Amino acid sequence: DIVMTQSPDSLAVSLGERAIINCKSSQSVLSSSNNQNYLGWYQQKPGQPPKLLISWASTRESGVPDRFSGSGSGTDFTLTISSLQAEDVAIYYCQQYYGNPPWPFGQGTKVEIK
Amino acid sequence: EVQLVESGGGLVQPGDSLRLSCAVPGFIFSGYWMTWVRQTPGKGLEWVANIKPDGSETYYVDSVRGRFTISRDNTKNSLYLEITNLRAEDTAVYYCARERQRANDYWGQGTLVTVSS
Repeated sequence: DIVMTQSPDSLAVSLGERAIINCKSSQSVLSSSNNQNYLGWYQQKPGQPPKLLISWASTRESGVPDRFSGSGSGTDFTLTISSLQAEDVAIYYCQQYYGNPPWPFGQGTKVEIK
Repeated sequence: EVQLVESGGGLVQPGDSLRLSCAVPGFIFSGYWMTWVRQTPGKGLEWVANIKPDGSETYYVDSVRGRFTISRDNTKNSLYLEITNLRAEDTAVYYCARERQRANDYWGQGTLVTVSS
């Protein structure tokens, strides 16, 4: 099974500064048939269920602020928050959904305000 | 408005069985794959199982295969998760979620299962 590893486990960023979260897959999640990366990013705030932010590694969901962006391909991916806002304090998870399930999540990255 | 409402959680003893339900008003339930994801207290997310729109295909994470059964009733717009021989490590919040092109775009609020003697 594919294993997802995020780094760092936590980070503290000043308001208005950039936050970068990395996600590495143990196998490529890039499909050669459609050139899509089967990778999503989720945000979970305390006491709430996860919320899908980005699918296909870089496609923002409707209503997600454009300060959130996803990049990468194959095995290495990044979620960037370009200008951290107070409401972005949360735990962020990547998930691969390539091939047949199971589709594991990364262990999560906690983002806090410095 | 898309809504997913889980129920059926509670305090159970090791070895017990439980059936979780997820009521899904608000969208064409029969057109979507559905997923169960769990989250142990203070820990991360674990993908548990999913089911095809017509119920003909199911998948499980290795750690639950044989004890968990995912099912659905499209006439009742409902998703289920039967859990047998509950263990302490099954203690978690269980979320149901809709799949859209494999990613989970809508989630319920979750139902807590606590396994303790």
